[in-house]
Amino acid sequence: DQQVKQNSPSLSVQEGRISILNCDYTNSMFDYFLWYKKYPAEGPTFLISISSIKDKNEDGRFTVFLNKSAKHLSLHIVPSQPGDSAVYFCAALALVGSNYKLTFGKGTLLTVNP
Amino acid sequence: GAGVSQSPSNKVTEKGKDVELRCDPISGHTALYWYRQRLGQGLEFLIYFQGNSAPDKSGLPSDRFSAERTGESVSTLTIQRTQQEDSAVYLCASSPTAAEQYFGPGTRLTVT
Repeated sequence: DQQVKQNSPSLSVQEGRISILNCDYTNSMFDYFLWYKKYPAEGPTFLISISSIKDKNEDGRFTVFLNKSAKHLSLHIVPSQPGDSAVYFCAALALVGSNYKLTFGKGTLLTVNP
Repeated sequence: GAGVSQSPSNKVTEKGKDVELRCDPISGHTALYWYRQRLGQGLEFLIYFQGNSAPDKSGLPSDRFSAERTGESVSTLTIQRTQQEDSAVYLCASSPTAAEQYFGPGTRLTVT
């Protein structure tokens, strides 16, 4: 049972336009959500996060929105740049026992065309 | 400063052999995680070390998988009697806090 779902395996947008990456989750106990970006042959790098008590967090061109009632979050990239082309992973953090665990989605491949 | 490093970057092994993967975390990071990513799948949690506490091994898929970490330094992930389904990219991450994990480049394991 997948607790974090990224239903779009890929997304293609034009340079300068908005990229919207979506993520759904099923576990209401998640208390933190993160986005990671991954280039080929590299490990994921942390991009932006949001606490479950917030509904928006903005950092430069990147904004994450959280809709708790819908158990949905999205990452907006405006304006999109060719260097943003990568796989984006949504991840959710929960305290399980005395340990924190991150659960990842399968990722969405973003291609930004010049 | 230096990030998380992993070795080897690529490993091809025959079915049934044992393999050992190494992770060097960022100095000072108390937490260390191992994940794997099989083709077409998301990142799958394997094991978590936090300081000197007993590791959380709940993600290890079978008893052929084991991992060790000495203090807050190097960790090794060992897979015994490898199977073809073990083929994946094995990623290590270290963290000063659970919400920020810094990943290494991964080890691509291919079992033939």
